[in-house]
Amino acid sequence: QQQVKQSPQSLIVQKGGISIINCAYENTAFDYFPWYQQFPGKGPALLIAIRPDVSEKKEGRFTISFNKSAKQFSLHIMDSQPGDSATYFCAATVQGGSEKLVFGKGTKLTVNP
Amino acid sequence: KAGVTQTPRYLIKTRGQQVTLSCSPISGHRSVSWYQQTPGQGLQFLFEYFSETQRNKGNFPGRFSGRQFSNSRSEMNVSTLELGDSALYLCASSRGPGGLQETQYFGPGTRLLVL
Repeated sequence: QQQVKQSPQSLIVQKGGISIINCAYENTAFDYFPWYQQFPGKGPALLIAIRPDVSEKKEGRFTISFNKSAKQFSLHIMDSQPGDSATYFCAATVQGGSEKLVFGKGTKLTVNP
Repeated sequence: KAGVTQTPRYLIKTRGQQVTLSCSPISGHRSVSWYQQTPGQGLQFLFEYFSETQRNKGNFPGRFSGRQFSNSRSEMNVSTLELGDSALYLCASSRGPGGLQETQYFGPGTRLLVL
């Protein structure tokens, strides 16, 4: 059972455009939602994270939007740059000390110059 | 501050063999989690250790095992390797469990190829 569904699988945008990646979750107990960025040959790196008591969080060009009632959250990358080309993973976990992250399948983003 | 280190970075084994992977967490981090990453299944949780105790285990067969040492370093072992075990094995460390979520920092992974 896939607890976190991520779309699209791949995304191509032009430099300067907006990249949008969406995730939906099933477990209403999830209360921490991080996004990870992974470059080829590297491990995932935390990009930005949100808790369900906040509807939006912005860090630089990266914004998470969170819709608790719809059980959806999304990553927006403004002014996308070629250096943003990577695979992005959404994830979710449950408060209470569990270290288990449940990941989406990933979105391969390509930003064309 | 040094990041999470994993050794070896690349490994080639044959079916039936066993393998041990090592992970050194960030200094001061006491929790270590292991994940398997494959193109088909994505990132899947294997197990988590804190204070030398396994706190959480994913849905993997018993051929996959791990342990944590008193210095928080961790090893995972896969016995009787199968072709399907070919994957990138990632280790992540955090300060430890608690009421608040702790950020997990990933290492570069160990690429295992089973022939």
